[in-house]
Amino acid sequence: GESVGLHLPTLSVQEGDNSIINCAYSNSASDYFIWYKQESGKGPQFIIDIRSNMDKRQGQRVTVLLNKTVKHLSLQIAATQPGDSAVYFCAARRGGSYIPTFGRGTSLIVHP
Amino acid sequence: DAGITQSPRHKVTETGTPVTLRCHQTENHRYMYWYRQDPGHGLRLIHYSYGVKDTDKGEVSDGYSVSRSKTEDFLLTLESATSSQTSVYFCAISEGGSGGYEQYFGPGTRLTVT
Repeated sequence: GESVGLHLPTLSVQEGDNSIINCAYSNSASDYFIWYKQESGKGPQFIIDIRSNMDKRQGQRVTVLLNKTVKHLSLQIAATQPGDSAVYFCAARRGGSYIPTFGRGTSLIVHP
Repeated sequence: DAGITQSPRHKVTETGTPVTLRCHQTENHRYMYWYRQDPGHGLRLIHYSYGVKDTDKGEVSDGYSVSRSKTEDFLLTLESATSSQTSVYFCAISEGGSGGYEQYFGPGTRLTVT
């Protein structure tokens, strides 16, 4: 099976700093990865995804890095804002499956 | 936001009563999923559907059943609710195929079983 985990349950940063949230996965057959943001009382919101044939993908203020050698991915948020405060979690999908496995989440707290 | 609605948004029910949660989508996506989210467990898959009348079990399916009679609706039924089923339930959809497999989530239903 697949297990997906995040390294830190909570990350506190100052407004304007860059944030890095990490995630590890166990199944080397995983070929698709997604980052979600979940604000309090809401459903998870898709942020960015990356396929295993890529090492890096950039979005608006976010970058996802994938290291397949150590089965690790990270989400970098540039110039973190108070509105970025939420729980972030990653999901990994094994090739051939449409069912992802979700990690438990890191709570990002942004201090003004 | 993806066109996904869930009803009811909040429900309190008594142990032993049947409960049905509804997920409705306007995206015409093929795949639909039901998850529960509990502290310390993250999102856990209950059941999913890969087409009308095509459903399968997830990792925590005991005590739950689902039905999908049309593309836009996916129903989750707790036949006889128990306190362990107190949770927040999320529906998700994905297009699949060349449309991609990223999931889009509904706003959730908070269910309390007393």
